[in-house]
Amino acid sequence: NAGVMQNPRHLVRRRGQEARLRCSPMKGHSHVYWYRQLPEEGLKFMVYLQKENIIDESGMPKERFSAEFPKEGPSILRIQQVVRGDSAAYFCASSGTSGSYYNEQFFGPGTRLTVL
Amino acid sequence: AQRVTQPEKLLSVFKGAPVELKCNYSYSGSPELFWYVQYSRQRLQLLLRHISRESIKGFTADLNKGETSFHLKKPFAQEEDSAMYYCALIRQTGANNLFFGTGTRLTVIP
Repeated sequence: NAGVMQNPRHLVRRRGQEARLRCSPMKGHSHVYWYRQLPEEGLKFMVYLQKENIIDESGMPKERFSAEFPKEGPSILRIQQVVRGDSAAYFCASSGTSGSYYNEQFFGPGTRLTVL
Repeated sequence: AQRVTQPEKLLSVFKGAPVELKCNYSYSGSPELFWYVQYSRQRLQLLLRHISRESIKGFTADLNKGETSFHLKKPFAQEEDSAMYYCALIRQTGANNLFFGTGTRLTVIP
């Protein structure tokens, strides 16, 4: 099991372009979480998805950001019309469903987005 | 609202010395607390959770509800403990999203 995969690992975009970040959860996991880490800050929750459903998007900026987790394929975090303030490390985590209150989240290596 | 505070950005100790990484939280309910660790060039991974009351790699953490703290301790630091440590909480009600502190970089000096 290769663990949570994220690609690309590094992404450079110019202001106004679109950024697409991909996350493939661990085999057997159906829950995906996206977190953003700005410089000198901790990870901040953005969105929680299950297959074909957004469960909690309370941490997502209201504009330009969207996320999906289709029935087939990876989860996608999409940032439209990027600005310099979007430069950050974006982490994806996945978990299974064990029936307990908390299901451990396993993290990917992150995608470092740089906006020029 | 919930908040996790790690007052020390950097912490250096000598090998064999005791180490304590501080974590304070604020939340009106009864959260579940965790410590995550990120070693150099590795992914963020769960170190321990308070509900398990376990010791991992010699580390322990006790939840003190009176002081709203969840400090991470180890009696004798090892060089391989050098890493970035994040304290995190999850609300007991609601979704499973983690709230992280800003992290403490621990360096163990040989």
